Amino acid sequence: NAGVTQTPKFQVLKTGQSMTLQCAQDMNHNSMYWYRQDPGMGLRLIYYSASEGTTDKGEVPNGYNVSRLNKREFSLRLESAAPSQTSVYFCASNGDQETQYFGPGTRLLVL
Amino acid sequence: AQSVTQLGSHVSVSEGALVLLRCNYSSSVPPYLFWYVQYPNQGLQLLLKYTSAATLVKGINGFEAEFKKSETSFHLTKPSAHMSDAAEYFCAVKKGGSYIPTFGRGTSLIVHP
Repeated sequence: NAGVTQTPKFQVLKTGQSMTLQCAQDMNHNSMYWYRQDPGMGLRLIYYSASEGTTDKGEVPNGYNVSRLNKREFSLRLESAAPSQTSVYFCASNGDQETQYFGPGTRLLVL
Repeated sequence: AQSVTQLGSHVSVSEGALVLLRCNYSSSVPPYLFWYVQYPNQGLQLLLKYTSAATLVKGINGFEAEFKKSETSFHLTKPSAHMSDAAEYFCAVKKGGSYIPTFGRGTSLIVHP
């Protein structure tokens, strides 16, 4: 099992550019999540998908969109990147007894 | 709404010393409680979890935590710190039936030789 995979690992964008962060899990989990991690702020939930076909906003959804493509894949899109979106982005899925399984992260720099 | 408070953004210990990382939560019902560890440039991974079985929970790498309902606490301990324990530690809470976990802001554990 690969667990949760994320692409790309690193990305540099200019202000106003768009990009999609990809996430996939091979554990047959129903729920998937996107977080951002900033120094001193812990993890903040951007969007989540409780099951295939559903998505809901988290704590900080502004400037982001998501797509639950199928049970395995959950992508995060930045339509017009801003410097405030410079962060490390983590995808996670929910497994047995509510345990979260995290991907390795995508480090994004917006200039 | 749930909340998680981790006391101390940084904790510094000497190698071989006791590690104590504090976590307090607010929840109207007994929740699921977790400690996750994040090593540099990696994602979070589960260290241990409380799911209403034993109140003393043992995890990986010699860590354990005790659920104290009266104190709404779930502090993480390890009797003897190792250099390889240096990492960021996150406490998290999740109510049964809720899709959304709540994470604390994290505590950075620094281990001195």
